[in-house]
Amino acid sequence: SAVISQKPSRDICQRGTSLTIQCQVDSQVTMMFWYRQQPGQSLTLIATANQGSEATYESGFVIDKFPISRPNLTFSTLTVSNLSPEDSSIYLCSVEDRGYRAYEQYFGPGTRLTVT
Amino acid sequence: AQSVTQPDIHITVSEGASLELRCNYSYGATPYLFWYVQSPGQGLQLLLKYFSGDTLVQGIKGFEAEFKRSQSSFNLRKPSVHWSDAAEYFCAVGAMDSNYQLIWGAGTKLIIKP
Repeated sequence: SAVISQKPSRDICQRGTSLTIQCQVDSQVTMMFWYRQQPGQSLTLIATANQGSEATYESGFVIDKFPISRPNLTFSTLTVSNLSPEDSSIYLCSVEDRGYRAYEQYFGPGTRLTVT
Repeated sequence: AQSVTQPDIHITVSEGASLELRCNYSYGATPYLFWYVQSPGQGLQLLLKYFSGDTLVQGIKGFEAEFKRSQSSFNLRKPSVHWSDAAEYFCAVGAMDSNYQLIWGAGTKLIIKP
């Protein structure tokens, strides 16, 4: 299975600033996903990021607030912009290699964001 | 629309006792089914998956799950839990008309009593 790393592992940010989270995979993958996990909650998909195309955002998430880059098949970034305390969450990236293991996702360790 | 239900928000089990975590899904065909575990402060780890074939699937860490089509269920079991099993467990479903996304249950928090 793919090994995924995320940076930073945690951060405390001021209201109104932005945080960029990096997701690095040890192999080339087709699909990358960004999730938000609010305290005590399940996972909510923010967007799907394919290399070479614009990210596809889920309802309730917009590019201005959550810009995503996917410059190659092993790397992606998620920026959380204009931070408010409501953005305090764990942000997770995951990957899926759309081969015979369709839908099987592997996750990074997450980035814990606290907004003050 | 597809949905996944984990009816138990949390479950408390004594160490050494057996465990069953429930998962029900709503989907017209047979979906792909997954169980993930999230230990405190960690990302999610895939425990096991069902795609087709034998309805009893074995996973890592001594877990197994059984797909029951008639009940639209995919319950997770372990014969004897260890304190290290204390974590949040998520059931997820992949359906072909969900654009290859996973649909997640709300999670069940497993608490182990010594």
